[in-house]
Order: sequence, then structure tokens, then C-alpha cells
Amino acid sequence: EIVLTQSPGTLSLSPGERATLSCRTSQTISFTYLAWYQQKPGQAPRLLIYSTFTRATGIPDRFSGGGSGTDFTLTISRLEPEDFVLYYCHQYNSPPWTFGQGTKVEIK
Amino acid sequence: QPQLQESGPGLVKPSETLSLTCSVSGDSISSSGYYWGWIRQPPGERLEWIGSIFHSGQTYYNPSLKTRITLSVDTSKNHFSLTLSSVTAADTAFYYCVRGGKWQQSDTYYFDYWGQGTLVTVSS
Repeated sequence: EIVLTQSPGTLSLSPGERATLSCRTSQTISFTYLAWYQQKPGQAPRLLIYSTFTRATGIPDRFSGGGSGTDFTLTISRLEPEDFVLYYCHQYNSPPWTFGQGTKVEIK
Repeated sequence: QPQLQESGPGLVKPSETLSLTCSVSGDSISSSGYYWGWIRQPPGERLEWIGSIFHSGQTYYNPSLKTRITLSVDTSKNHFSLTLSSVTAADTAFYYCVRGGKWQQSDTYYFDYWGQGTLVTVSS
């Protein structure tokens, strides 16, 4: 099973700042098989990014993904108030599909 | 775009069987060519993929739950179901149904549509 480790656990920033979230996989995976989700309190996760770089339908361009091998990132270029929530990475390279433990972006 | 809605008991006794159904609207389970699945999230913990099913009945299960789970699909009702047997407190979680990628197109195996989730508590 591929284990995903996200860092930091909590990211404290101000609106307008840039956020960089990290996801490390326990094995090398293809960039094709890494996704990111956003979860607001009391809601289901929402797909943000798939195949490392590709934004899902309707996702603003302030969200971008990158990385390769075992190290992947989600970048939010300028934080909006609604961005201060939870983010999860997900690998679908090898079953069972697995998720990171999440990064919480909070207002500083 | 598809909409998914979970239904089922919110409280299950230890050692009993948890049963949930996901009703799909705006998409056809039998003709869309997608997998459909379940993901759960214990409160405050990470997401865990439970399993996925295709309309043909082909299933893929998480090995950690394989001995206790069954997924089924009813194309006439456009819904699919999860049963989890011998539940314990560790099975207390939010359960989400999801759409999970196109048949044999592994680059699409992310989860693009989610139900709102339902909390299932295991307690006597």
C-alpha cells in the first residue's frame, strides 16, 4: 500500500499570501495518478486537481499542482477567504487507492 | 452532471451489518462507463477508499476490508449499495458514495463526484 504523507499539518497564512502544500508518497508514482481535494467543514471533498497538474472543471486558476516521483505540491497563489480549509492528496497509481492525512490552511 | 445521495441507518449495533445505498441522478450507472464506489472518513481522520463497482458487477475492494464488504449495483433503480458486516466502533465514520473513473482508463481513477456523505455510528 502506498502511504501518502502531507506537510505541514497546519499552514497559518494571511489572505493574499501564497500557500504551498506538500504530499510525499512512499513509492514513486506516475504524475498521471495524483489528485488533490478540498474539503470545507461539513461538506464532502471536492476534486481540485488530477494528474498532478490538471485543474478540475470550475476550479480557479489560483490553484496549481506540480511535482513528480515521490514529491508533489499544491500551490494556491493568492489565498482567498474561502480557501482556509482542509486539503487532501490522493494516489490512484496502485490499489488500494490511498489519501494523505490532510493539511489545514488556517488564517494567521 | 451526476448527483449522488447516500441513504441508510445512522446507527448500527456492534457485530451487526451496515447497509447503505447510493442513488444516482443525472447519469446512468449502466451506460456511462464509470466505476462507482464508496469512501469513508472517521471523524477527524483521513479518507479511506472502501471499494468500487462497475455496472457489470465487477468489483474492486480495499484488502483491509475485503472480508467484510460487499458492493452491489441495481441498474434498474440506478443505484448501488454497500454492506459491511461485523461492524465495530472503528467503523464509525462519514460514508461517501463517489463516481470513480472510466472503465479501464486508469488515468481517470480519481473521484470527481461525491455524495454529501452520511454519518454512521456504531454503538449499542
